[in-house]
Amino acid sequence: DAGVIQSPRHEVTEMGQEVTLRCKPISGHNSLFWYRQTMMRGLELLIYFNNNVPIDDSGMPEDRFSAKMPNASFSTLKIQPSEPRDSAVYFCASKDRGRSSGGSDTQYFGPGTRLTVL
Amino acid sequence: AQTVTQSQPEMSVQEAETVTLSCTYDTSENNYYLFWYKQPPSRQMILVIRQEAYKQQNATENRFSVNFQKAAKSFSLKISDSQLGDTAMYFCAFAGDFGNEKLTFGTGTRLTIIP
Repeated sequence: DAGVIQSPRHEVTEMGQEVTLRCKPISGHNSLFWYRQTMMRGLELLIYFNNNVPIDDSGMPEDRFSAKMPNASFSTLKIQPSEPRDSAVYFCASKDRGRSSGGSDTQYFGPGTRLTVL
Repeated sequence: AQTVTQSQPEMSVQEAETVTLSCTYDTSENNYYLFWYKQPPSRQMILVIRQEAYKQQNATENRFSVNFQKAAKSFSLKISDSQLGDTAMYFCAFAGDFGNEKLTFGTGTRLTIIP
């Protein structure tokens, strides 16, 4: 299996620009998670989806952030307009249905996107 | 809401020795899952070991084992015969059951294996 795929791996942009991060989960996984890692706040959930439906978006900082999952194999996280405080590593993770359906509860992470907003 | 606490920001140990990383958590849930993830300098998050709360037996994966004390809400990681490749940040994480599946992470322990 190819694992979770994220693109781009690095993004440098100017303040005010729109940024789109992309994620392809592991095939067959039905849950997808977006996390952000910063020195100040550590690793924190932004949003997660089950079966393409957003379940918990309480970690999305503000209206500048939006996430979509149009189908089971693709998700985007968009920041518009970007600000320097958005600089972080953004991880996407996926997992399958979990113990109740005979699957695993383990989340597998992509390599992350390092975002720098100047 | 659940919380995860790692009280050791940094640790170091000689190669081939054994080291234990501490983690405590707080939750009101009965069914949950605990994980240790490793993050080397490449920043990739790599699963080390997982424990399901309903299982009393401690999980083991080769040189890695946990000491899961449910009543004390403690979940420590033991690394035996430590190797240079074990140098990394180690994060303890909690995930609840359906509907609360997000990972809540501790602040991490930076482990250095000394040759």
